[in-house]
Amino acid sequence: DTGVSQDPRHKITKRGQNVTFRCDPISEHNRLYWYRQTLGQGPEFLTYFQNEAQLEKSRLLSDRFSAERPKGSFSTLEIQRTEQGDSAMYLCASSSRGYNYGYTFGSGTRLTVV
Amino acid sequence: QQPVQSPQAVILREGEDAVINCSSSKALYSVHWYRQKHGEAPVFLMILLKGGEQKGHEKISASFNEKKQQSSLYLTASQLSYSGTYFCGTAPGPDKLIFGTGTRLQVFP
Repeated sequence: DTGVSQDPRHKITKRGQNVTFRCDPISEHNRLYWYRQTLGQGPEFLTYFQNEAQLEKSRLLSDRFSAERPKGSFSTLEIQRTEQGDSAMYLCASSSRGYNYGYTFGSGTRLTVV
Repeated sequence: QQPVQSPQAVILREGEDAVINCSSSKALYSVHWYRQKHGEAPVFLMILLKGGEQKGHEKISASFNEKKQQSSLYLTASQLSYSGTYFCGTAPGPDKLIFGTGTRLQVFP
């Protein structure tokens, strides 16, 4: 069990640029979640996958955000035309059953939009 | 929809006890508890399931009142390593967690 890996750890980008983050979940976990966290706040739900199917996307999320999980393995989160308000820690988590089992979080990708 | 935690912050001496509360406005399938240290990812502590099943940590206990949609986390004989921010995560359905507002715990020698 190598844990949940996220890449990159840090990303600084100029406003208007596109960015893509990657998450590699624990291999036997079929559920994968993306959350966003700003300083002093709890993680905010963005989207989740069961295997390769994206089952829910937060209504708070603009169309600039998209996520994929091809073949039910790793996942990518893309943000197009970044804005300063997108600056946050983006956390990925995986679990084997959803609400019945705890989540294992990755170390996150810290995005700074300048 | 976000669960509300109380208190917002707790300061303890080593060996003292603390209780952190989590309250939701929705009926819940389960409640999770996580601890996050500064600059690190949240770490799973415990899950409480509807019907009374509980899975988690040996030194930390919790309760889940399904009728009131409330949960409490009990930290006894606190250690320096308990310092961090505690989040409850509530599951109104069998899918994602909604995380609470957080409780910052500081334990001093």
